[in-house]
Amino acid sequence: GQNIDQPTEMTATEGAIVQINCTYQTSGFNGLFWYQQHAGEAPTFLSYNVLDGLEEKGRFSSFLSRSKGYSYLLLKELQMKDSASYLCAVSQRGNTDKLIFGTGTRLQVFP
Amino acid sequence: DGGITQSPKYLFRKEGQNVTLSCEQNLNHDAMYWYRQDPGQGLRLIYYSQIVNDFQKGDIAEGYSVSREKKESFPLTVTSAQKNPTAFYLCASSIDTSGGYETQYFGPGTRLLVL
Repeated sequence: GQNIDQPTEMTATEGAIVQINCTYQTSGFNGLFWYQQHAGEAPTFLSYNVLDGLEEKGRFSSFLSRSKGYSYLLLKELQMKDSASYLCAVSQRGNTDKLIFGTGTRLQVFP
Repeated sequence: DGGITQSPKYLFRKEGQNVTLSCEQNLNHDAMYWYRQDPGQGLRLIYYSQIVNDFQKGDIAEGYSVSREKKESFPLTVTSAQKNPTAFYLCASSIDTSGGYETQYFGPGTRLLVL
């Protein structure tokens, strides 16, 4: 079966660094996505990892270890606007690339 | 501007009523998806379509129906058989699903409430 785990909530201070972890168990792994979702809005694409290692994109970085079934999203120089839910989603290889979503991590950034 | 639009933003359903949620995209994407989002749960796939005139059930298709008569459009009908329809419904699209990496892009969502 498939299982994706990520913390339900996290808090951090403006200007700080926060790491949001995601662990997964799935067959036919075809990559891992991170999305950002502000309350009541659509998820927006942040990153995609299919090979082991760190992908850096401005203040956001995403890491993947396929052997450990583990990923993290690293947010640096936190801003108030980073308060949102962060969704981890795993792509499964098959007839169609279905995305399996975790429950999301709600991040609150305080001044 | 290219993108995905969903309408309406809010929708109210009476008991025993069917309602249809609209999803349109002008990104020339082949694949389209419908998800349901409930508080404390991840997005769950209702239906998806890889090509015009073809669609597949997702994980929670019961009580829902779809059509894909045009590449740009993938409407979702919530039927009276869906006993707990209150949720946030998200439509997404991607270029194709040929087995490679295809990012899904989401519309703004429709919040459905039962009266």
